[in-house]
Amino acid sequence: DTGVSQDPRHKITKRGQNVTFRCDPISEHNRLYWYRQTLGQGPEFLTYFQNEAQLEKSRLLSDRFSAERPKGSFSTLEIQRTEQGDSAMYLCASSSTVEAFFGQGTRLTVV
Amino acid sequence: DAKTTQPNSMESNEEEPVHLPCNHSTISGTDYIHWYRQLPSQGPEYVIHGLTSNVNNRMASLAIAEDRKSSTLILHRATLRDAAVYYCILRGPSGGGSQGNLIFGKGTKLSVKP
Repeated sequence: DTGVSQDPRHKITKRGQNVTFRCDPISEHNRLYWYRQTLGQGPEFLTYFQNEAQLEKSRLLSDRFSAERPKGSFSTLEIQRTEQGDSAMYLCASSSTVEAFFGQGTRLTVV
Repeated sequence: DAKTTQPNSMESNEEEPVHLPCNHSTISGTDYIHWYRQLPSQGPEYVIHGLTSNVNNRMASLAIAEDRKSSTLILHRATLRDAAVYYCILRGPSGGGSQGNLIFGKGTKLSVKP
């Protein structure tokens, strides 16, 4: 297992377009987290899945943000009608017990 | 969310010990103290965690005050590869829901001088 994988690593999109990011967690990790990180700040928690159930989504930044984990394996994070303020690094993490393992992130630039 | 306070930045010399402090005066009895670090252009990585007793692992040691209102991450011999942002995080017991989530602050940026 090579760890948490995120795709794409970089995404440039025009304002108003929709984007979707994918996260493949470590096999058999039942928990999956999404974070957003802007320059100089710590990762900001967005949402959390346990298996396929989304147990925490109140911190999603707006109704333009949504996440799924349909079969309890990989997850997608979608941003609709992107805005320049959405430009950031989007991080995914997975865990089974204590330690969370993070991917390298997807860097989104909205122009 | 239970809050932690860390210095914005610290400097260390290579091969010297580093003590990274964290204050968490509002910690609850069931909160674990977690430390993660983030190297440049990487996602965060787990360093260590503890509840009440001091903890050691291959990366670092965690010293927890008796009243649990503060803790210190100790790197015994800093190397240039330890230059990173170090985050101290309070995390509720695992079991699902928001209590088990990792809520990051701004962390401490550690610089290591050769």
